[in-house]
Amino acid sequence: QKEVEQNSGPLSVPEGAIASLNCTYSDRGSQSFFWYRQYSGKSPELIMFIYSNGDKEDGRFTAQLNKASQYVSLLIRDSQPSDSATYLCAVANSGGYQKVTFGTGTKLQVIP
Amino acid sequence: AAGVIQSPRHLIKEKRETATLKCYPIPRHDTVYWYQQGPGQDPQFLISFYEKMQSDKGSIPDRFSAQQFSDYHSELNMSSLELGDSALYFCASSATWTGGTDTQYFGPGTRLTVL
Repeated sequence: QKEVEQNSGPLSVPEGAIASLNCTYSDRGSQSFFWYRQYSGKSPELIMFIYSNGDKEDGRFTAQLNKASQYVSLLIRDSQPSDSATYLCAVANSGGYQKVTFGTGTKLQVIP
Repeated sequence: AAGVIQSPRHLIKEKRETATLKCYPIPRHDTVYWYQQGPGQDPQFLISFYEKMQSDKGSIPDRFSAQQFSDYHSELNMSSLELGDSALYFCASSATWTGGTDTQYFGPGTRLTVL
């Protein structure tokens, strides 16, 4: 079992809809959670990070964390074709020097 | 805002050759991470440095070595290159002094092709 699991997709949503991306992790000691967006051949771009249970909103993006269920999600409202990319969930363990473990990513396709 | 700089952006080498990749972190960032990403795969952590000392080690082959210099830039040295080393190599940096989570910011990557 991978430490961080994501559905590889592709997840297809129509333009303007809400895209829901999910991620589960195995290490209960994980402290910090990140969502990165990666376009093909490009580097991962940080979208959001979340530390505490609950929701965190930034523009069209909302990250949700449930540590009891070891689950983190990313909601994208009013999806745009430019949101089409692979979304990587990343989880950092506790401690000083954080090693971030990435999920395999979910490919999102927003259909115009 | 300044970002992570990596050089070269593209590199083509023959099998058994040596390659050196460079990474210049965001100013005032003290930690550097190296990742390898093969086609269709997630980034795999190789190694990290904090204040010029190795802080963590991942799936880095023995043929690879890395270091962080006094100006905080880092170099990844790859010897006896194999075809399977062809990948995107990302460097990321973070600042531990912020007191919060060490959010990693990625550079544009170096695409290494081994022929």
